[in-house]
Amino acid sequence: EPEVTQTPSHQVTQMGQEVILRCVPISNHLYFYWYRQILGQKVEFLVSFYNNEISEKSEIFDDQFSVERPDGSNFTLKIRSTKLEDSAMYFCASRRDRGISGELFFGEGSRLTVL
Amino acid sequence: QQQVKQSPQSLIVQKGGIPIINCAYENTAFDYFPWYQQFPGKGPALLIAIRPDVSEKKEGRFTISFNKSAKQFSLHIMDSQPGDSATYFCAASGVTGGGNKLTFGTGTQLKVEL
Repeated sequence: EPEVTQTPSHQVTQMGQEVILRCVPISNHLYFYWYRQILGQKVEFLVSFYNNEISEKSEIFDDQFSVERPDGSNFTLKIRSTKLEDSAMYFCASRRDRGISGELFFGEGSRLTVL
Repeated sequence: QQQVKQSPQSLIVQKGGIPIINCAYENTAFDYFPWYQQFPGKGPALLIAIRPDVSEKKEGRFTISFNKSAKQFSLHIMDSQPGDSATYFCAASGVTGGGNKLTFGTGTQLKVEL
């Protein structure tokens, strides 16, 4: 069964350092997303990406965040200068169809710990 | 207006019981309501979803009831099993200019005891 894969599974970094989280969406999917989940809290939307550009972003997704699809298969989330409050599980997700019935498939997440 | 309110925060039932999780929304532009199941250390996985043109949808032991006028929907798990122990999230989305982002509820931790 096709799946969304994410690396690394866990990253520990110092405050102020840059972090890149990587995702390989399902191959025939066209819409890509990043969500995050602070421990014990709800899953929050960060950004959606389609046709090599951001479709929508939340207020969480400030100038410290960027996304890129550098090579047609990987989808990356970069946090330029990490803060303590960026510690969370980051989930990549992808969807084939734009329609409302298109299922969103999530990866297993990358846990980011900022010290 | 973008929030989805979910209750209860946690729930313990006996094996065979019928846990019910409730969600409410405000944004009338929402037109797709999925439920996600999440096991510890895993990403959310789609369980079942409903559109507002029907009042109920059943897939196996899982049923969504939808009340459009009240802007509420709920998940019922029939004959619950210990393997159903997980966190359940309701969510909602609508067609926007972007990419149909999901707005999640706060989650319900379900424990099914033997």
